[in-house]
Amino acid sequence: DSGVTQTPKHLITATGQRVTLRCSPRSGDLSVYWYQQSLDQGLQFLIQYYNGEERAKGNILERFSAQQFPDLHSELNLSSLELGDSALYFCASSVDLGAMNTEAFFGQGTRLTVV
Amino acid sequence: SQQGEEDPQALSIQEGENATMNCSYKTSINNLQWYRQNSGRGLVHLILIRSNEREKHSGRLRVTLDTSKKSSSLLITASRAADTASYFCATPEYGNKLVFGAGTILRVKS
Repeated sequence: DSGVTQTPKHLITATGQRVTLRCSPRSGDLSVYWYQQSLDQGLQFLIQYYNGEERAKGNILERFSAQQFPDLHSELNLSSLELGDSALYFCASSVDLGAMNTEAFFGQGTRLTVV
Repeated sequence: SQQGEEDPQALSIQEGENATMNCSYKTSINNLQWYRQNSGRGLVHLILIRSNEREKHSGRLRVTLDTSKKSSSLLITASRAADTASYFCATPEYGNKLVFGAGTILRVKS
């Protein structure tokens, strides 16, 4: 158990809908990262938050947004969903501002299926 | 973007044999990390090697880093069926995110 909790584990929704994925980082970790894993794109970095502030942005679509709350949990919002958004979405946390010196701890992921 | 590229893409060995996976990366790094992912599950951190280290051990794992060649290798000795998984190398980019390679799929046959 990594200590990172993601909910829900599975999500099936229709095209055009909006979903929210939730992540609780390990106790004490201030950084939260979101990744998308699909068969054709591999593991893609989406966005990072540190102590409530956005710190880095990757290949995140404009239809996607995220935030980190004062209690450090984070939510990833995916809207106007398309079939191609079907993927595993991972949240990871680390104690550092970045991954310079420490490892990241990953949750078990949310498997999103858009039908 | 993918910083690390693993080689081979897939590897199939018998239980008890050693498995070696390689990773090449493009830019200067502060450290390089290896992760394991069991099918459809979350990634598990295996080992982190810093740029000033050449070799690191953890149990049956041995990682080497050659910064002049921008490459790293992960050796799993005396492999077990439970080692069957995908293995990824990852490097920090701008200190704010880990960039993962495409991974090596390891299958250990019992």
